[in-house]
Amino acid sequence: QVQLQQSGPGLVKPSQTLSLTCAISGDSVSSNSAAWSWIRQSPSRGLEWLGRAYYRSRWYIDYAVSVKSRINIKPDTSKNQFSLQLNSVTPEDTALYFCARMLAGYDYWGQGTLVTVSS
Amino acid sequence: DIQMTQSPSSLSTSVGDRVTITCQASQDISSHLHWYQQKPGRAPKLLIHDASNLKTGVPSRFSGSRSGTDFTFTISSLQPEDIATYYCQQYDIVPYTFGQGTKLEIK
Repeated sequence: QVQLQQSGPGLVKPSQTLSLTCAISGDSVSSNSAAWSWIRQSPSRGLEWLGRAYYRSRWYIDYAVSVKSRINIKPDTSKNQFSLQLNSVTPEDTALYFCARMLAGYDYWGQGTLVTVSS
Repeated sequence: DIQMTQSPSSLSTSVGDRVTITCQASQDISSHLHWYQQKPGRAPKLLIHDASNLKTGVPSRFSGSRSGTDFTFTISSLQPEDIATYYCQQYDIVPYTFGQGTKLEIK
């Protein structure tokens, strides 16, 4: 049974960096068939795909253009997890953040982390 | 980015009703579309993958179909536990994009 466990702070100050981690059990971040994504959800933006990392003989990482200059998704094979860093956050980055596995659809999701950007 | 236009945004329904939700893609995405159900405070749950394939374990009252760039999601006979918000998602080209959601309510 695949499980994704998210961790990270729920409150971040404006201009600082949002950091979240998604620990994987029951699968491997280096899987040759899955991709690992971060998705966020807010009332104003709905469900917004932020990016993905996947391994197919080498690592591939894609980002949404809307956050491309501020985002870093990093797989960690030693801990079987992947992380999200979003720099220079503003109140518009306030959202519920999810990690998820894509195989045939996003079939497993983390529990979600509500991140509020506020001083 | 590919735009997914989902309608209606909300639907007032009764138990036993047939419910239909549509998503239109802004360009050809083949059958690269999934459907999700989301209940308050929970992550989305995958119901249909690749436009018309029911995920294992999902009740057969849920179904999906495709006609060109138009996709339809159907609940044949609404059950009380189906009250939720439903989303489509395309995975043809990154960035993957979601519809705006359809919230089902009980009359």
